Amino acid sequence: QKEVEQDPGPLSVPEGAIVSLNCTYSNSAFQYFMWYRQYSRKGPELLMYTYSSGNKEDGRFTAQVDKSSKYISLFIRDSQPSDSATYLCAMSGDGGSNYKLTFGKGTLLTVNP
Amino acid sequence: DTEVTQTPKHLVMGMTNKKSLKCEQHMGHRAMYWYKQKAKKPPELMFVYSYEKLSINESVPSRFSPECPNSSLLNLHLHALQPEDSALYLCASSQGDASEAFFGQGTRLTVV
Repeated sequence: QKEVEQDPGPLSVPEGAIVSLNCTYSNSAFQYFMWYRQYSRKGPELLMYTYSSGNKEDGRFTAQVDKSSKYISLFIRDSQPSDSATYLCAMSGDGGSNYKLTFGKGTLLTVNP
Repeated sequence: DTEVTQTPKHLVMGMTNKKSLKCEQHMGHRAMYWYKQKAKKPPELMFVYSYEKLSINESVPSRFSPECPNSSLLNLHLHALQPEDSALYLCASSQGDASEAFFGQGTRLTVV
């Protein structure tokens, strides 16, 4: 079992849809959870950073962490064609090296106008 | 400003060449990272510097040599690379461990 599981998609939605992206993980020690957006041939851009369980909202983006289920989500409201990218979840703080990010494989999202 | 600047953006090098990748951040971050990313894969950690000292080396071949001249700069020296080393090389920085990591736009390296 991989440490972080993320459905690679591809996921295709119409403009204006609510998008739900998810990751599950096996290491219950993870404490810090991140979502990155990566456009083709560019570096990852940090979208959301959360510590432990709970919700965090930033504009059209909401991140949820459920540590009891080892499940994290990113919701995108009113999706736009400019949201078309690969979304990577990442986590750290497992008691080993807190510098090391463990990434999911990424989900390729296309928002169609 | 959450900018990490990498140069060059693109690099083509022969297997006998020596080249260097450069990374700069002015956020006062104390940790800097090198990642390697192949197409359709997530980034893979190569090195971590913390307070200008090498903290993590993920068993990277010696043909990759990192250097941290000061708290704002990070270099990756390349020598005798193989075609399979062609990838996007990403630099990142963070305030400390377990804090948000910000990535640069990467250097797309092609080894011929």
